Amino acid sequence: KAGVTQTPRYLIKTRGQQVTLSCSPISGHRSVSWYQQTPGQGLQFLFEYFSETQRNKGNFPGRFSGRQFSNSRSEMNVSTLELGDSALYLCASSLEQGTYNSPLHFGNGTRLTVT
Amino acid sequence: AQTVTQSQPEMSVQEAETVTLSCTYDTSENNYYLFWYKQPPSRQMILVIRQEAYKQQNATENRFSVNFQKAAKSFSLKISDSQLGDTAMYFCAFMKRGGSQGNLIFGKGTKLSVKP
Repeated sequence: KAGVTQTPRYLIKTRGQQVTLSCSPISGHRSVSWYQQTPGQGLQFLFEYFSETQRNKGNFPGRFSGRQFSNSRSEMNVSTLELGDSALYLCASSLEQGTYNSPLHFGNGTRLTVT
Repeated sequence: AQTVTQSQPEMSVQEAETVTLSCTYDTSENNYYLFWYKQPPSRQMILVIRQEAYKQQNATENRFSVNFQKAAKSFSLKISDSQLGDTAMYFCAFMKRGGSQGNLIFGKGTKLSVKP
């Protein structure tokens, strides 16, 4: 069974631009979560989707948005990029929405660099 | 709000030896779950071990075990017979019961190097 696939693996953008990151969950998984990882702040929760609905949202500005499609694939979008948005963005999927017995499976992440 | 603290930014251990990584957390919740994740250079986060707070017995997964002290809010990870493949960042994480695994609270991590 294929794992969680994130594309692209690396991305370089300029301040003010917008970016879209993609995540394909493990087949059969219905929940997708996104995290931002930076050296200073560590891993921070962005949002969680289940059955095409956003179920939880972290403390990020409205420039960060996401969506989930009927096939459970998810995208996250960052508009008006700032230098501080440079980070590793990790996507994780799980069979059901975040129960203890439905562990997260992470992808390899997208490394976003904003110049 | 819950917080997770890992006080050891970096640690090293000789191959085949035992190492313990520390984690403390702060919460007013009584029912919650704790996790240890490993992030090797490939960047993919991998679940190492998990513990339910209402279970007093410490979780064990092969060479990995935890020392869960609920009153002290401590959740340390012990790696026995360390292997070169254990070299990675290790993150401690918290989830309140009724919460979502998609909304974990992570510590800042401990970088573990296993030396031959």
